[in-house]
Order: sequence, then C-alpha cells, then structure tokens
Amino acid sequence: DAGVTQSPTHLIKTRGQHVTLRCSPISGHKSVSWYQQVLGQGPQFIFQYYEKEERGRGNFPDRFSARQFPNYSSELNVNALLLGDSALYLCASSHRDTAYNSPLHFGNGTRLTVT
Amino acid sequence: AQTVTQSQPEMSVQEAETVTLSCTYDTSESDYYLFWYKQPPSRQMILVIRQEAYKQQNATENRFSVNFQKAAKSFSLKISDSQLGDAAMYFCAENTGTASKLTFGTGTRLQVTL
Repeated sequence: DAGVTQSPTHLIKTRGQHVTLRCSPISGHKSVSWYQQVLGQGPQFIFQYYEKEERGRGNFPDRFSARQFPNYSSELNVNALLLGDSALYLCASSHRDTAYNSPLHFGNGTRLTVT
Repeated sequence: AQTVTQSQPEMSVQEAETVTLSCTYDTSESDYYLFWYKQPPSRQMILVIRQEAYKQQNATENRFSVNFQKAAKSFSLKISDSQLGDAAMYFCAENTGTASKLTFGTGTRLQVTL
C-alpha cells in the first residue's frame, strides 16, 4: 500500500501570497492531521479532520484553514503568508480519530519557503 | 497545557553500544499516552515506541525500550546494540487521548559512529 503522500514536496512563495498544500492518506484511513515543523523544532499541531469534520485545532491564526474531502484527502490553506510561515508541513493519517489506538503515519512533508 | 522537554540537543553513540535519550513532560491529565518518533533525513516521522500512562510495565520493541517514571514525569528511550541506521532526530511526544493531537519536544539528534 502507498504511504501518506504530500504535494508539492517543495514550494517557494512571496509574503502576502496564498498557498495550498495537499495530502492523500493511506487507503482506509479516515483521519488526517496537519503539523508545522519550524527548523530546529518539533512539529506543532495545526488541525485534525476525521470523517470530514474538524476534530481539533492548534494555536494557529485564522490565516490557516483546512478541509477534508469525501475521499479523505485533505488540503491545508494558508493566506497572507508571513516569513515566519516558512517551515516543513507534515501530514499524518490514521484509521481512527485518536492517536494511541490508531498510530499516526506521517508523510515526507512539504517544505514551504516564504521570501 | 501539555509541555514536553528534551534536554539533550545532540547525543553520540558507538555502533553496537547502548544510548539513552531523555524526555520529561508536564500534564495535568490522568490519562495520556507517550511516544518516541524517529525522523531521518528523509523527513518522514516514524513511530518507534509508545506507552500508555496507566500501564506500569515499560514498553519494549526489539532493540528499543523505555523507562517510564510516572511520578517523575520522565519517559526515556534506550536503544541497545545501536546501528548506523539509528542515526536520526528523535522526538518525544505526548497525547492526552483527545483527537490525534501530539505535543512534541524539540528533539535529540543521535549520531552513530563506527
């Protein structure tokens, strides 16, 4: 089975622009979570979607939004990009909506650079 | 709010030797779960081992084991018989069972030398 796939792998944007990142979960997984990993730090939780409903939101501004589609793939959107949004964005999928009984499987991430 | 602290930015171990990575956490929840993830240069986070807080027995997965000290809020990872492929960033993480939100530490970079 294919793992979690994220696109694009790398992206360069200018301050003020908008960006959309995409994630396809492992087949059969209904939960998708998004994390932001700034260089030298651990990942920080942004969103979780399960069965197309938002199940959790981290401490991120409203410029960050996400959605999940009927096929369980997901998009993360960031508006009005700031230099501080430069980071590795990780997507993780799981079968259920809790992390313990259904371990997270991570993708290779999208490296976003804002100039 | 949950916090996870990894006080060792870098560690080094010789091949075939044993190394222990430290992690402390702070939570007010009584029910929670702890994880160690490995992130190689490929950037993909890989689950190494997990522990339920209500279980006193320390989790083990082949060469990987944990020392879970609940009262001290400590969750260290021991890697035995270290291999070159173990070289990576290691992150300790906590989950309170609410959704799939993981709170990560800042990571420890492990080098494995010949």
